Amino acid sequence: TQLLEQSPQFLSIQEGENLTVYCNSSSVFSSLQWYRQEPGEGPVLLVTVVTGGEVKKLKRLTFQFGDARKDSSLHITAAQPGDTGLYLCAGASESNYQLIWGAGTKLIIKP
Amino acid sequence: DAGVIQSPRHEVTEMGQEVTLRCKPISGHDYLFWYRQTMMRGLELLIYFNNNVPIDDSGMPEDRFSAKMPNASFSTLKIQPSEPRDSAVYFCASSRRQGRTGNTIYFGEGSWLTVV
Repeated sequence: TQLLEQSPQFLSIQEGENLTVYCNSSSVFSSLQWYRQEPGEGPVLLVTVVTGGEVKKLKRLTFQFGDARKDSSLHITAAQPGDTGLYLCAGASESNYQLIWGAGTKLIIKP
Repeated sequence: DAGVIQSPRHEVTEMGQEVTLRCKPISGHDYLFWYRQTMMRGLELLIYFNNNVPIDDSGMPEDRFSAKMPNASFSTLKIQPSEPRDSAVYFCASSRRQGRTGNTIYFGEGSWLTVV
């Protein structure tokens, strides 16, 4: 069974600080996605990384796919209250491309 | 383009009652997913369809849960009889395709179910 472990589960920091969220697995994924979910809504896709070692930037958010395509990180620079939400990673199985979901990181950015 | 539409948004029901959740996927999407989200277990895939055919229902908790997709624009998730432990947010989602480069899944706003 493929598992995707996400850490930390919860993070509360001050506006302006930097943070990193991790997703780790012993399995190889064909691609990995990051979603953000705000209260009362469904998750929304932020980015998909496909190639080992790939780095993608979305304004102050930097996403990296591990060289072996088993892990990924999300780094936020100078966090703002608008970044508050639940961040979910999801790896696509190499066999059938179905998504394996991490448990999520609940992020709170205090003004 | 309209997104994934779910109804009802909120439902409170008594234990033992039948609950039916409804979903209209994005037009043109071949895949439809039903997820359940709770604080304890996170986001769980219950079942998914490809071209209206159920492909994998291994996530359906037990026989009390059933899902149908009679056509490309409509799906239901039914719980009968409902139990308090079924209380959760149920998401319907759809995507255009599956593939190595990733399949963007579009979620509805969810149906918040409380069974008392």
